[in-house]
Amino acid sequence: EPEVTQTPSHQVTQMGQEVILRCVPISNHLYFYWYRQILGQKVEFLVSFYNNEISEKSEIFDDQFSVERPDGSNFTLKIRSTKLEDSAMYFCASSKRTEAFFGQGTRLTVV
Amino acid sequence: SQQGEEDPQALSIQEGENATMNCSYKTSINNLQWYRQNSGRGLVHLILIRSNEREKHSGRLRVTLDTSKKSSSLLITASRAADTASYFCATDAFGGGSNYKLTFGKGTLLTVNP
Repeated sequence: EPEVTQTPSHQVTQMGQEVILRCVPISNHLYFYWYRQILGQKVEFLVSFYNNEISEKSEIFDDQFSVERPDGSNFTLKIRSTKLEDSAMYFCASSKRTEAFFGQGTRLTVV
Repeated sequence: SQQGEEDPQALSIQEGENATMNCSYKTSINNLQWYRQNSGRGLVHLILIRSNEREKHSGRLRVTLDTSKKSSSLLITASRAADTASYFCATDAFGGGSNYKLTFGKGTLLTVNP
């Protein structure tokens, strides 16, 4: 069964460093998303991407964040200068339309 | 206001019993989805119910939707220890263009005791 895959599963980074989280969405899906979940809190929407551009972003998704679809298969989230409060589980998701399928997540720890 | 609030926050039952979790939301929706998350793991899609549907089944899962009350319920029948997880409802808000952003609730932590 097709699935969304994310790498790495866990990343530890120094505060101020750049990180790139990678995702391979399901191949025939058109909409791509990043969500995050701070430990013990809700899953929060970050950004949606459609037709090679951002279609919506939340207030969390500030200038430190960017997304890219560098080729036909990958979808990346870059955090330019990580802060301690960026520590969270980051989920990539994709959908054909409404039914969104999530990856296993990348646990980002900023120290 | 919070969109997609589940209750109870935690539910503990014995294996074989049924588990019912509820979700309430504030604004009009297109669809409501239920997800499961095992501790520290990814979100597994369980079922989607559209705003014009009232009930949907998938295996041991039954989902109802009452748009007049802005609420949904997830029933897991004949629960198993492996059903132990957090369960989230997520509603979508159709944005401008083509966009299906999901808003999640805080989840119900279900513990099924063997």
